[in-house]
Amino acid sequence: EVVMTQSPATLSVSPGERATLSCRASQAVSTNLAWYQQKPGQSPRLLIYRASTRATGIPVRFSGSGSGTEFTLTISGLQSEDFAVYYCLHYYNWPRTFGQGTKVEIK
Amino acid sequence: QVQLEESGGGVVRPGGSLTLSCAASGFNFNSYGMHWVRQAPGKGLEWVAVIFSDGTHTYYTDSVQGRFTSSRDNSKNTLHLQMSSLRAEDTALYFCARESGSDWFLDSWGQGTLVTVSS
Repeated sequence: EVVMTQSPATLSVSPGERATLSCRASQAVSTNLAWYQQKPGQSPRLLIYRASTRATGIPVRFSGSGSGTEFTLTISGLQSEDFAVYYCLHYYNWPRTFGQGTKVEIK
Repeated sequence: QVQLEESGGGVVRPGGSLTLSCAASGFNFNSYGMHWVRQAPGKGLEWVAVIFSDGTHTYYTDSVQGRFTSSRDNSKNTLHLQMSSLRAEDTALYFCARESGSDWFLDSWGQGTLVTVSS
């Protein structure tokens, strides 16, 4: 099983600043990685797939990078609606596994 | 647009059984793999199971292997998760999610149905 490790667990950021979230895989998953945003009481929302491709309707301030075992989600110019929990998910093999999540909170 | 609506959640005693359903609409259901993902209260997301578009293959996370069975009825655009030998640690909000048709990430999610395992 591929173990996905996200860091940090919590990220305190001021509105307008940049947030950088990391996701590390215990073995190489190529670019078979997606990022999701989840707000309280809501289901997850797809942000990024194939490590760096923005999903339909996702603002350009969200960007993803990486391949193999190291991945990054960057949110440039955080807006109030971006404060949420973010998860990475690999889809390289079975079982799929999520990272434990990074909570982006207002500083 | 894609709609996924889970149902069947509730309170069940440890060792009991429950079947969840997910009604799909807005897309050609029999062309897509479908997944179950759960989220324990206050915790993160956990992938649970997948069933391929034609129902011929399923995979499960280790903790539910042998206790949960995913099935689908493509004639009724419905996905099911049969859960047995339920444990307290199975308590969670269960989401069904669609696998993208062009790749293998999950691109659409339902709102979830809550399963509580408690005596």
